[in-house]
Amino acid sequence: TQLLEQSPQFLSIQEGENLTVYCNSSSVFSSLQWYRQEPGEGPVLLVTVVTGGEVKKLKRLTFQFGDARKDSSLHITAAQPGDTGLYLCAGEHNFNKFYFGSGTKLNVKP
Amino acid sequence: KAGVTQTPRYLIKTRGQQVTLSCSPISGHRSVSWYQQTPGQGLQFLFEYFSETQRNKGNFPGRFSGRQFSNSRSEMNVSTLELGDSALYLCASSPRQGAVRNTIYFGEGSWLTVV
Repeated sequence: TQLLEQSPQFLSIQEGENLTVYCNSSSVFSSLQWYRQEPGEGPVLLVTVVTGGEVKKLKRLTFQFGDARKDSSLHITAAQPGDTGLYLCAGEHNFNKFYFGSGTKLNVKP
Repeated sequence: KAGVTQTPRYLIKTRGQQVTLSCSPISGHRSVSWYQQTPGQGLQFLFEYFSETQRNKGNFPGRFSGRQFSNSRSEMNVSTLELGDSALYLCASSPRQGAVRNTIYFGEGSWLTVV
């Protein structure tokens, strides 16, 4: 059983479309991070959110941390082929121990 | 600032052998953790070291072990390799321990194939 549930697992969309990825848990996290991983490479940190209700923007990506710090979402506006990859959320539960969601595989078609 | 460095990047081993993977954290980072990533199980936490001491451990058998040196560099070892140990092994470092809201940074990983 995953501590963090990510949805959807797979997403295939056309360039220019918008999408939202969800990361849900029944546990409270002290921080939550989003990563993007490309095949054969390690995950690359996109953002860390720490305060309930926090919203962070990174160009076309918007990240939100739930008020109760149990869930998060990632919204991409006008997706581009360069956004293709595996998106992972990770919650810090105990000190420096992170639990990862199963990931969302995004494919953006030109 | 150099990132997390893992060696080797790729390796092939035979069942029953043992393997050692190495990780150099970002300069100034004292905490190093290891993860196993497979298509079926996703990213799973192996263990974490801080100041040469293992502080957290995941649910892996005793064949998986690690250590950390005084310069914060870390190694992990898998003995008596099984086919199911084939995976991407990721090392991550973070700057501090004992405080919440840490951020971990990953290396590119070591691809292990067991045949």
